[in-house]
Amino acid sequence: DQQVKQNSPSLSVQEGRISILNCDYTNSMFDYFLWYKKYPAEGPTFLISISSIKDKNEDGRFTVFLNKSAKHLSLHIVPSQPGDSAVYFCAASDRGSTLGRLYFGRGTQLTVWP
Amino acid sequence: ETGVTQTPRHLVMGMTNKKSLKCEQHLGHNAMYWYKQSAKKPLELMFVYSLEERVENNSVPSRFSPECPNSSHLFLHLHTLQPEDSALYLCASSRNFEGGGGETQYFGPGTRLLVL
Repeated sequence: DQQVKQNSPSLSVQEGRISILNCDYTNSMFDYFLWYKKYPAEGPTFLISISSIKDKNEDGRFTVFLNKSAKHLSLHIVPSQPGDSAVYFCAASDRGSTLGRLYFGRGTQLTVWP
Repeated sequence: ETGVTQTPRHLVMGMTNKKSLKCEQHLGHNAMYWYKQSAKKPLELMFVYSLEERVENNSVPSRFSPECPNSSHLFLHLHTLQPEDSALYLCASSRNFEGGGGETQYFGPGTRLLVL
């Protein structure tokens, strides 16, 4: 049973516009969420995280929003650049549990075209 | 460059071979992880080591054997693998395993394994 879901396998956005990547989770005990970016032939690279005590975290062009009641988070990239083209993974964890390891979604392939 | 290196980057092996994957982290972290990524599937956690002790073995077949000689190095020994074991094997590390590993993990580039 997959506890973190990324329902859109791909997203295509024009350069300069906003990219919105979505992630849903089922475990209400999750309290820490991360986004990773992965280029081909490389390992995932940590991008941004958010704790459940916040509903927004911003780092430059990247902002993560958390809606705990909906068990939903999203990553906004503004403005999108061609170098942002990669697979984006959402991950979640229950930090209060001794078994609170990271659970990953299947990823969303973002393509930013000029 | 994340501070986590993996060798080899690519590996082709027959089902009767024995090979090892190596991971090294230069971040001073205390926890290290092996993940498997198959096509169209989420990352699957295989093993977790914290302070050189194995703390989780996620029902992985015995043909995969991890080894953590110190907090900077992690190996995955492979023996009599099956074609379905072909995948990308990723190593990661985190500062600690507090909270069950929910801290930010930093990944290596992975080893692309093909079993013939």
